[in-house]
Amino acid sequence: LAKTTQPISMDSYEGQEVNITCSHNNIATNDYITWYQQFPSQGPRFIIQGYKTKVTNEVASLFIPADRKSSTLSLPRVSLSDTAVYYCLVGISGTYKYIFGTGTRLKVLA
Amino acid sequence: DTGVSQNPRHKITKRGQNVTFRCDPISEHNRLYWYRQTLGQGPEFLTYFQNEAQLEKSRLLSDRFSAERPKGSFSTLEIQRTEQGDSAMYLCASSIQGTSTDTQYFGPGTRLTVL
Repeated sequence: LAKTTQPISMDSYEGQEVNITCSHNNIATNDYITWYQQFPSQGPRFIIQGYKTKVTNEVASLFIPADRKSSTLSLPRVSLSDTAVYYCLVGISGTYKYIFGTGTRLKVLA
Repeated sequence: DTGVSQNPRHKITKRGQNVTFRCDPISEHNRLYWYRQTLGQGPEFLTYFQNEAQLEKSRLLSDRFSAERPKGSFSTLEIQRTEQGDSAMYLCASSIQGTSTDTQYFGPGTRLTVL
């Protein structure tokens, strides 16, 4: 059974780096790992995507170990506007289905 | 705006009524996905289209649910004989085949409330 788990919540102060890990035990071999940010009553917003090792863009970094059974989203120097729920998304091996992680509610404090 | 659009944004209906939602994907995106998100939970996969072909359906998509994508462009999701348990946000996403990453981009969602 595919399962994708994340910490339920995290608190951080402005300016700090935040790392959120997602564990995925049945990821599709050829599929990418994608992370999204979601604000209340909005659709998920794309943050970053990767297949393995490390990927960096203008807003985040993504670390994926060789076995690809987990991934870590790193948000450098968070601000109050980063308060949101963060989800990982992975494909399920052998299907066209996708599964979101359980979601991590990040609260950034002043 | 060239993003994914969904209509209506909000729908309130009485139990037993039928409802239909529409999703317009990003132009040239041939892959389309529907998800359902209940309050406080992550989105759950419902179904996947590649062009006009529905290639994957979740067990969550009961007999009362039907999705179509007749010309491989916009898609509709219909729920017949709605139940209170159908109250949720229905999200649509699209992606383009042929790129290595196949990134899904989401619309704003349709919030359904069944009274």
